[in-house]
Amino acid sequence: KQEVTQIPAALSVPEGENLVLNCSFTDSAIYNLQWFRQDPGKGLTSLLLIQSSQREQTSGRLNASLDKSSGRSTLYIAASQPGDSATYLCAVRQLGETSGSRLTFGEGTQLTVNP
Amino acid sequence: NAGVTQTPKFQVLKTGQSMTLQCAQDMNHEYMSWYRQDPGMGLRLIHYSVGAGITDQGEVPNGYNVSRSTTEDFPLRLLSAAPSQTSVYFCASSRTSFYEQYFGPGTRLTVT
Repeated sequence: KQEVTQIPAALSVPEGENLVLNCSFTDSAIYNLQWFRQDPGKGLTSLLLIQSSQREQTSGRLNASLDKSSGRSTLYIAASQPGDSATYLCAVRQLGETSGSRLTFGEGTQLTVNP
Repeated sequence: NAGVTQTPKFQVLKTGQSMTLQCAQDMNHEYMSWYRQDPGMGLRLIHYSVGAGITDQGEVPNGYNVSRSTTEDFPLRLLSAAPSQTSVYFCASSRTSFYEQYFGPGTRLTVT
């Protein structure tokens, strides 16, 4: 059974710092991996989707990498801002499952960027 | 596009009551799903649909029913609410299950 772990559970940094959020998964036979952002009391906003054949994806100040063989993904946030404060979740989709198969989510990293 | 919409935003039920959580999307997505989010347990799949008229169970389907009569709508029914169903419920949609998932704003349900 796939398990997704995100470390650390919480992170507090000063504004302007570059930071890395980690996601690890136990079964490397994945179809893709998606990073989300969740603000308190809100839904999930998709940030980046990486297919298993890709090594990284970039969107603005965000860069996500994927090392499928080691079961790891990182989300790099450059020049962090207070508006980046949120919980960041990663989720993986398995290979070989039915078309309706679920995403397996990590529990998230709660990020606070202090002004 | 409104994206994925959910109603209501908040709901309080008494044990044994039934209700329907509404979910709609205007992106012509074939795949829709329902998750619940609980502290310490992350998001877990309840039910999903790969197209109109087709639904299937996810990881935690007990106590919930779904139907998909149109591409746009995917309501979730609680048959007889229990305190264990207190949670935040999210609906999601995508072109197919293997594409980027888009989530609604959620419904916070409390069962007393």
